[in-house]
Amino acid sequence: QVQLQQSGPGLVEPSQTVSLTCGIFGDSVASYTASWHWVRQSPSRGLEWLGRTYYRSRWYYDYAESMKSRITINPDTARNQFSLQLSSVTPEDTAVYYCIRQTYCSGGYCATCGGDCYYDHWGQGTPVTVSS
Amino acid sequence: IVMTQTPLSSPVALGQPASISCRSSQSLVHSDGNTYLHWLQQRPGQPPRLLFYKISSRFSGVPDRFSGSGAGTDFTLKISRVEAEDVGIYYCMQATQFPWTFGQGTKVEIK
Repeated sequence: QVQLQQSGPGLVEPSQTVSLTCGIFGDSVASYTASWHWVRQSPSRGLEWLGRTYYRSRWYYDYAESMKSRITINPDTARNQFSLQLSSVTPEDTAVYYCIRQTYCSGGYCATCGGDCYYDHWGQGTPVTVSS
Repeated sequence: IVMTQTPLSSPVALGQPASISCRSSQSLVHSDGNTYLHWLQQRPGQPPRLLFYKISSRFSGVPDRFSGSGAGTDFTLKISRVEAEDVGIYYCMQATQFPWTFGQGTKVEIK
């Protein structure tokens, strides 16, 4: 049974960097049948996709264009987890942050899985407040 | 891609049907021929969970009173007979083009 366990600070000061971690149980961060995403949710912005990482012989990263200058997603194979770092935060970054697994068939890509690739496991969410 | 849901709120009597519409600002047909339109349910105090992927493929454990349909830019989620456990917010999301985007959500509540 796959579980994603999130950890990180609940309160961050403006201009600082927030770091969140997603521990993976029951799967591997380097799995060829998964990709690992971060999404956030706030009352003002709704659900917002932030980025993803996945391993297919090498590591790949995709980020939302609006976040590219401030976001880093890092896999950690030794601890079997992945992290989100968001720099220069403002009160606009106040949100609940979720880590998510997207699962694939053995083909490893949506196109080679007949399109059967989807979000099947979510972390519990980490509320982050940006305030001084 | 902008995802627009209607209505934003849907009070429904128990046992009655509910329908949620989702419209995308451009076609969600991917170059690989698939349409990556998914539906999520978020119960109060919980993370969202997947209901349907690729428009109408039911995720494991989703009751068959739920159905998904549509094509191109217009999609619909239906609940044939609303039950108390269906209360929550429903989101459509597209994973055809980066950045993936979500609808604003439709709140289903019991009348």
